[in-house]
Amino acid sequence: KNQVEQSPQSLIILEGKNCTLQCNYTVSPFSNLRWYKQDTGRGPVSLTIMTFSENTKSNGRYTATLDADTKQSSLHITASQLSDSASYICVVSPVFGNEKLTFGTGTRLTIIP
Amino acid sequence: NAGVTQTPKFQVLKTGQSMTLQCAQDMNHEYMSWYRQDPGMGLRLIHYSVGAGITDQGEVPNGYNVSRSTTEDFPLRLLSAAPSQTSVYFCASTPGGTNEKLFFGSGTQLSVL
Repeated sequence: KNQVEQSPQSLIILEGKNCTLQCNYTVSPFSNLRWYKQDTGRGPVSLTIMTFSENTKSNGRYTATLDADTKQSSLHITASQLSDSASYICVVSPVFGNEKLTFGTGTRLTIIP
Repeated sequence: NAGVTQTPKFQVLKTGQSMTLQCAQDMNHEYMSWYRQDPGMGLRLIHYSVGAGITDQGEVPNGYNVSRSTTEDFPLRLLSAAPSQTSVYFCASTPGGTNEKLFFGSGTQLSVL
């Protein structure tokens, strides 16, 4: 069964610090991996999409990495801000398109001043 | 552009009642979909549409109906609500083609008593 596991489940860090969120997947075959940010009470917002040929992708202070051999991805947040407080969801697709996505349960990140 | 608009934001139903969750997008996206998000679980696909007049089932379609008469609108109908349908529902759209990025609405929180 295709699975996406995220760790940690929750994380609290001080404003200005960096952090790294992890995503391990068993989805096969593999087409692409996505990271979404979900604020409380809102829908997810896309941060990055990476195919198997991409091992790093950045979006401002967010940098995602992908190791397709070990089936691991990470999302690194640099110089965290209060607005980074949200859930971060890892999503893996075995094929091109959006019909077969496997969503992780997310990491809840809280930034404290 | 308003993006993806969902109504209502909150809804409480009694078991057996029916209702329609509305979803509209103003980005001329061909692909639209409905997800549910439950505590401790990743988002799961209910139904999707690749264009007006075309719909298909996702992972958890039972108890839900959809139709797509226009490009803009993709309503989700609960035929006879059950407590198991208590969830947060998200509508999402994407241009399709080579662009897989999903744009989500802000969600409808549904409680079935």
